[in-house]
Amino acid sequence: SQKIEQNSEALNIQEGKTATLTCNYTNYSPAYLQWYRQDPGRGPVFLLLIRENEKEKRKERLKVTFDTTLKQSLFHITASQPADSATYLCALDDWEGAGSYQLTFGKGTKLSVIP
Amino acid sequence: EAGVAQSPRYKIIEKRQSVAFWCNPISGHATLYWYQQILGQGPKLLIQFQNNGVVDDSQLPKDRFSAERLKGVDSTLKIQPAKLEDSAVYLCASSLDPTYGYTFGSGTRLTVV
Repeated sequence: SQKIEQNSEALNIQEGKTATLTCNYTNYSPAYLQWYRQDPGRGPVFLLLIRENEKEKRKERLKVTFDTTLKQSLFHITASQPADSATYLCALDDWEGAGSYQLTFGKGTKLSVIP
Repeated sequence: EAGVAQSPRYKIIEKRQSVAFWCNPISGHATLYWYQQILGQGPKLLIQFQNNGVVDDSQLPKDRFSAERLKGVDSTLKIQPAKLEDSAVYLCASSLDPTYGYTFGSGTRLTVV
């Protein structure tokens, strides 16, 4: 099974700057890689999905890149705001056959945007 | 659309007691997942259902955990007997299509004392 590393447990940045979070995986490239946001006391909320044949995906101030050679995804939040403060989880869809996908999650990176 | 509903939100029990969690997924979502999230960790898959059949329960501690999804809609997860290390948040998620992401409930925070 996949091992996922989000190599920063916590990241503090100044408001207005770009936050960059890293996700590395160890085994085969997944069909999909997803990013979720989790606020305290809440379940993860889906943000973006990128396929293995896509290099980049954007949604408003969010951008995700996917490099299957490096086995790495980068998650960027541009013009960061205090409201972006949360834990961000990287997750890989592992194909289990018979039409079954499962998500394997990293530990997450806690982002704090300082006003 | 309504989200994934879970209850209760919080539960405190003594070790060796039993507990059950309930999940109502988004209408029409065939796939349902139960995840366990220990403080400071990412969610870990316990069991996956496709309609009312189990697709994968390889990480479910079957000596104490059980789950069912009757009629392919609601699901319950049970722990009997509970251990201290079962203290965690239990998250239910559902999906229609993996390319649209998964929708999670708010979870049930279990404390075993």
